Amino acid sequence: QKEVEQNSGPLSVPEGAIASLNCTYSDRGSQSFFWYRQYSGKSPELIMSIYSNGDKEDGRFTAQLNKASQYVSLLIRDSQPSDSATYLCAVSNDYKLSFGAGTTVTVRA
Amino acid sequence: NAGVTQTPKFQVLKTGQSMTLQCAQDMNHNSMYWYRQDPGMGLRLIYYSASEGTTDKGEVPNGYNVSRLNKREFSLRLESAAPSQTSVYFCASSELTGPYGYTFGSGTRLTVV
Repeated sequence: QKEVEQNSGPLSVPEGAIASLNCTYSDRGSQSFFWYRQYSGKSPELIMSIYSNGDKEDGRFTAQLNKASQYVSLLIRDSQPSDSATYLCAVSNDYKLSFGAGTTVTVRA
Repeated sequence: NAGVTQTPKFQVLKTGQSMTLQCAQDMNHNSMYWYRQDPGMGLRLIYYSASEGTTDKGEVPNGYNVSRLNKREFSLRLESAAPSQTSVYFCASSELTGPYGYTFGSGTRLTVV
């Protein structure tokens, strides 16, 4: 079982809609969770971090964490074509992060 | 505002050749990391350095060595390149030792033929 699991997609959403991305993790001791955005041919860019159960909002992005279910999600509201990218879920494990394989999102105009 | 700088950006090697990937950060970060990214497999940790003077193996260390030259620089060496090492390599750094987000370099696209 992989440490961090994501649906690979692709996830296609119309412009203006909500994109919902999911991630599950196996290590119950994980304390910190991150979402990275990666455009094709570019390096990952940190967009959200969350450390406690509940929701955290930053602009059009909302991260949700449920440690009991070992589940973290990312919502992108009012999706724009510029949101088309691969989104990587990352979970902390001691000094290092474990990454999921990523979910590719395509926002169609 | 250089952040994390990786060199080279592209490299083609023949099987058996050696090379060193260079990484430097100017953010005074303590921790540095080397990942490789392959299609469908996400980012996998090769080696990391929690602080200057220490290095540890990650998930896929075989065929690689690292050197934490000083606080700024962390290099990755392939002693005898193999086609299985064809990948995109990312260096990253983090401010503190622990569960904090990384800043990534722009990557090195390596092809071994």
